[in-house]
Amino acid sequence: EQQVQQSPASLVLQEAENAELQCSFSIFTNQVQWFYQRPGGRLVSLLYNPSGTKQSGRLTSTTVIKERRSSLHISSSQITDSGTYLCAINYGNEKITFGAGTKLTIKP
Amino acid sequence: EAAVTQSPRNKVTVTGGNVTLSCRQTNSHNYMYWYRQDTGHGLRLIHYSYGAGNLQIGDVPDGYKATRTTQEDFFLLLELASPSQTSLYFCASSVDLDTQYFGPGTRLLVL
Repeated sequence: EQQVQQSPASLVLQEAENAELQCSFSIFTNQVQWFYQRPGGRLVSLLYNPSGTKQSGRLTSTTVIKERRSSLHISSSQITDSGTYLCAINYGNEKITFGAGTKLTIKP
Repeated sequence: EAAVTQSPRNKVTVTGGNVTLSCRQTNSHNYMYWYRQDTGHGLRLIHYSYGAGNLQIGDVPDGYKATRTTQEDFFLLLELASPSQTSLYFCASSVDLDTQYFGPGTRLLVL
């Protein structure tokens, strides 16, 4: 059972456009993380956002726990933002479940 | 940034073969994890540990063993490798149940 859903599955934008990525989860949790996976595989932690809004540079994450969703906004996208963005939740113990990801492609 | 290394980076074995994947973190993190990543499934947790000598079962543990020999080292063992275990394997570590730091991954091909 897929407990973390991400949308869209893929997104193609022009450079400088803003990107909006969505994550929904089937249970209540207070631990939501966003990761970036570079083409070629290595994962990088972007934001740990248990609730509310968090910002890091051009990235803004908003998590609404009671609605079981989180979003990641990337402003003024750059070609180097291309890759896969993964949402992950902790569902009540030490395990973390990942979504399937959103593949973002930024074109010049 | 926390350092997590994995070895080997690539491995080819045959069905029934014995494989050990290694992971080391040098940041004294308590938690270490092994994941596999497959197209259509995303990242799935195999085993994890919260300290030396400790082992916890993840979501897809069948066919895998793991050992945490020290705070730094976490091993994943495939004693009778099968083609279904062909995958990209990631190790990660974290201080607590928050930010995870990932290794570069190991590509395993089981023929």
